[in-house]
Amino acid sequence: AQKITQTQPGMFVQEKEAVTLDCTYDTSDPSYGLFWYKQPSSGEMIFLIYQGSYDQQNATEGRYSLNFQKARKSANLVISASQLGDSAMYFCAMRLVGGSQGNLIFGKGTKLSVKP
Amino acid sequence: DTGVSQDPRHKITKRGQNVTFRCDPISEHNRLYWYRQTLGQGPEFLTYFQNEAQLEKSRLLSDRFSAERPKGSFSTLEIQRTEQGDSAMYLCASSPPGAGVYGYTFGSGTRLTVV
Repeated sequence: AQKITQTQPGMFVQEKEAVTLDCTYDTSDPSYGLFWYKQPSSGEMIFLIYQGSYDQQNATEGRYSLNFQKARKSANLVISASQLGDSAMYFCAMRLVGGSQGNLIFGKGTKLSVKP
Repeated sequence: DTGVSQDPRHKITKRGQNVTFRCDPISEHNRLYWYRQTLGQGPEFLTYFQNEAQLEKSRLLSDRFSAERPKGSFSTLEIQRTEQGDSAMYLCASSPPGAGVYGYTFGSGTRLTVV
């Protein structure tokens, strides 16, 4: 069965510092995609970054980068130069290529708090 | 375009009542998805539509739940005979043709509280 595990219920980071949010996944399928979403208190899920299982390089999007370690089945999100507006819930998610067209499997999330 | 719109934002209902939520996707998006998010959990897939056709339903979608997307535009999610376990955030997302999960835009959700 496919599963996403986020072991950090909450994290604190000082403004302007970098922070790493952990994500491990479990799948026996060689083809999959990994996503990170941000959910502020307003409720909507905001897409941050995507990594495909066959991508040779780690994904980067502005201040977000994904530390993809395939052998360890981990896909940690790194946020550089944290800002107060980064305070939110962060969810790691996975989709199986060739699997359900509508189905993302989400972890339980990590609540990030940025301190001034 | 103002994004994916969900109505109402909050709903409190008594156990046993029926409730209906509405989702208006981005106009050019042909796929529409419903997810449920309970407290302390990530969203869980419920169902999705391509245009007006409901193509997949999760086993989480019990017989008390029904979703429709008439004419392939807005969608409604109805819960009959609500139970306290139905209390959750119901999220809608849409995506453009060919994008699938890679093009999700989520709405802000409808928070349901069953008392």
